[in-house]
Amino acid sequence: GAVVSQHPSWVICKSGTSVKIECRSLDFQATTMFWYRQFPKQSLMLMATSNEGSKATYEQGVEKDKFLINHASLTLSTLTVTSAHPEDSSFYICSARPLTGGRTEAFFGQGTRLTVV
Amino acid sequence: SQQGEEDPQALSIQEGENATMNCSYKTSINNLQWYRQNSGRGLVHLILIRSNEREKHSGRLRVTLDTSKKSSSLLITASRAADTASYFCATGLSGNTGKLIFGQGTTLQVKP
Repeated sequence: GAVVSQHPSWVICKSGTSVKIECRSLDFQATTMFWYRQFPKQSLMLMATSNEGSKATYEQGVEKDKFLINHASLTLSTLTVTSAHPEDSSFYICSARPLTGGRTEAFFGQGTRLTVV
Repeated sequence: SQQGEEDPQALSIQEGENATMNCSYKTSINNLQWYRQNSGRGLVHLILIRSNEREKHSGRLRVTLDTSKKSSSLLITASRAADTASYFCATGLSGNTGKLIFGQGTTLQVKP
């Protein structure tokens, strides 16, 4: 099956620092990846759509300068939380849909738990 | 943005019983998918049903889709303690971009 790997799986950082989260599709290519955010005991909220070779598309209310997305290759998208604050503490999950094979479902990474202290 | 609601928000049953979760959505869809999430973990894809399908089975899972009512249900038969998790429906919108909008989720507890 298609595998999406996220790294790191958890990170603790100090307020004001930046944190980069990687999302890799290991055995398929994806022109589009998606970043979600999940607060405790809540659902996943789509933050942005990451497009290979072009700018990301952000959902309403998500600050693009706060959450920098780079999709430099067909297998890697990165989310950088800049100048992190405690309210940015959350579970961040990425997903990717295979470019070929007619697959409709997206495959999710295992998530990254960010704690800002 | 949330697509819709799931009910119940929480469900507690005994092992062996069936569990039914419902999902409603608001917009036109290309497909509807169900995912499972164990506490603090990533999502596991369970089943996908396309907008032109009405029912689908996979093992102990049965999913129905009623596009006229904009609703779906997930039935887990003969539940096991290992089924304890949160279950989310997610709608793939028309245009099939791969973007998913998630429901609020149902937390299922199966008691041994």
